[in-house]
Amino acid sequence: SAVISQKPSRDICQRGTSLTIQCQVDSQVTMMFWYRQQPGQSLTLIATANQGSEATYESGFVIDKFPISRPNLTFSTLTVSNMSPEDSSIYLCSGGGYEQFFGPGTRLTVL
Amino acid sequence: GQQVMQIPQYQHVQEGEDFTTYCNSSTTLSNIQWYKQRPGGHPVFLIQLVKSGEVKKQKRLTFQFGEAKKNSSLHITATQTTDVGTYFCAGPSVAGGTSYGKLTFGQGTILTVHP
Repeated sequence: SAVISQKPSRDICQRGTSLTIQCQVDSQVTMMFWYRQQPGQSLTLIATANQGSEATYESGFVIDKFPISRPNLTFSTLTVSNMSPEDSSIYLCSGGGYEQFFGPGTRLTVL
Repeated sequence: GQQVMQIPQYQHVQEGEDFTTYCNSSTTLSNIQWYKQRPGGHPVFLIQLVKSGEVKKQKRLTFQFGEAKKNSSLHITATQTTDVGTYFCAGPSVAGGTSYGKLTFGQGTILTVHP
């Protein structure tokens, strides 16, 4: 199993600013992913965080808006850039093998 | 693209009643997973089904994978208040190929259990 932590747990940001979310896994995992979840809704995959190479983004998500870093097998960051109120959501990272472990999420509110 | 549909969206039951949620995929799945998310929490892996027609049980939970590997169900017998939460099915993203963990989630079923 894996334990995943995220920082910050929540934040309130102003329009036009950027926020970087950190995801730390207590063991090495090959695959790490970033999801977005509106309260009461399902999870939407943003991108796969690849160690040593650029992230792979899903349709509708672009690197300029959501730059991702993956410097090693236990850590990744997601930046939400030039934020607007539409970016208000819960952002979750996950990692593991076929069984995915999720972090507790970062609740982002953009004013 | 791949779609994973889940019904019902909401289910309210009295404690002790049974509960079932259904999941249908637009494409054949190599496997299907189920996750539970408690209110205010994060998704937690419950189980993975791989074989056509597979049935697995975890105490009061019974999971089935359809013969065509395009549908699945989760049945809870005699619900308890601890069963409250959202139940998601998830299939491997088509584009993911053998990329473990790249998932397409169903919309989820929000289960409320009245004591």
